[in-house]
Amino acid sequence: DVKVTQSSRYLVKRTGEKVFLECVQDMDHENMFWYRQDPGLGLRLIYFSYDVKMKEKGDIPEGYSVSREKKERFSLILESASTNQTSMYLCASSFRKYRVRTDTQYFGPGTRLTVL
Amino acid sequence: KQEVTQIPAALSVPEGENLVLNCSFTDSAIYNLQWFRQDPGKGLTSLLLIQSSQREQTSGRLNASLDKSSGRSTLYIAASQPGDSATYLCAVRRSYNTDKLIFGTGTRLQVFP
Repeated sequence: DVKVTQSSRYLVKRTGEKVFLECVQDMDHENMFWYRQDPGLGLRLIYFSYDVKMKEKGDIPEGYSVSREKKERFSLILESASTNQTSMYLCASSFRKYRVRTDTQYFGPGTRLTVL
Repeated sequence: KQEVTQIPAALSVPEGENLVLNCSFTDSAIYNLQWFRQDPGKGLTSLLLIQSSQREQTSGRLNASLDKSSGRSTLYIAASQPGDSATYLCAVRRSYNTDKLIFGTGTRLQVFP
């Protein structure tokens, strides 16, 4: 079974703090994704990585950065957390170009981040 | 720009009912469409994936249809059960050359006994 794990289920931080969210997958997937999910807005892509040290901005990258030093690990960094970054953060992974037509993205359980 | 919409945002039905969830997309040039389920406070799990050349896919009590020309997909759930209570999201993949998905806002379903 594919497993995508996220470092924390719940996180509470203060405005201005530097926040690290970590995601690890065990399926040797090339692609890894970070999304945020907000009521009424659905899932929005923050950043995407298709290989080690490679990254691509998604739809809402402002205020975030990412790091992919190892294939299995993808980190999301909030350089200076703000209250409008309070959200559910979801990590996902997949094979590049979906090697099998029926392949999909596999999601972690999410991290609910609250910034006070 | 592709936009994906799901209506209604929330649905509450008694156990045993057959129900239909709707997903609309603005650009009919898609590679495939998926339906996901999300339980409260959890990640997403893929339910059904329909390739652009297909009309429908079935898995157990679930049936998903795709009408590319009209930009619509429906998820049919037969004989609903309380365990079906969750949020259902659809997502489209625009082409083979992109690995990204564009998600709808979801329909929150509650099935009561």
